[in-house]
Amino acid sequence: ETGVTQSPTHLIKTRGQQVTLRCSSQSGHNTVSWYQQALGQGPQFIFQYYREEENGRGNFPPRFSGLQFPNYSSELNVNALELDDSALYLCASSLRFSEIANYGYTFGSGTRLTVV
Amino acid sequence: KQEVTQIPAALSVPEGENLVLNCSFTDSAIYNLQWFRQDPGKGLTSLLLIQSSQREQTSGRLNASLDKSSGRSTLYIAASQPGDSATYLCAVGPWGGYNKLIFGAGTRLAVHP
Repeated sequence: ETGVTQSPTHLIKTRGQQVTLRCSSQSGHNTVSWYQQALGQGPQFIFQYYREEENGRGNFPPRFSGLQFPNYSSELNVNALELDDSALYLCASSLRFSEIANYGYTFGSGTRLTVV
Repeated sequence: KQEVTQIPAALSVPEGENLVLNCSFTDSAIYNLQWFRQDPGKGLTSLLLIQSSQREQTSGRLNASLDKSSGRSTLYIAASQPGDSATYLCAVGPWGGYNKLIFGAGTRLAVHP
């Protein structure tokens, strides 16, 4: 059984640029969520995808967008990067809602994004 | 609105001590509570998951309890070791009608030899 894998592990971008982060969900998981973790804080929910549709969104602007593919892998895209976007971006996969209570979430190792 | 608070924010102890990390949440209508470990700059490793119908879960030297009515969970670490040094995060979920986790800010633990 494979876990959640994220790529790249580190990334440096310039303010105003665009970035794409990638996530492969754990085998058997059909739901992918993305979180942003600023230094010294807990992760904050960005959005979630289930069966290729956005299934919920946190308090993030539209320049944060995503995709989920038929194999349940996912991308997070951020346009017009700002300095405050510098953070660790975490991907989490899970089973569908009715099974979350029993099995919880599996997180990847994250992508460290630095905007300069 | 659900809010999760973790106390203390940081803890430094000598090796061998038994530790208690605290997590509180404001809304008791949760499905589960999950404790995670995070090493510096790394992702989250799930330690224990407590379903809302359960009172506690144990894994090795770790024991987590849940009291929904009072909005509290504790993570007990027995006989701490330097390798336990990390940030410990608690999260409640799923929340908001979909699979969303609400996290605390974490407790940063340092265990010195």
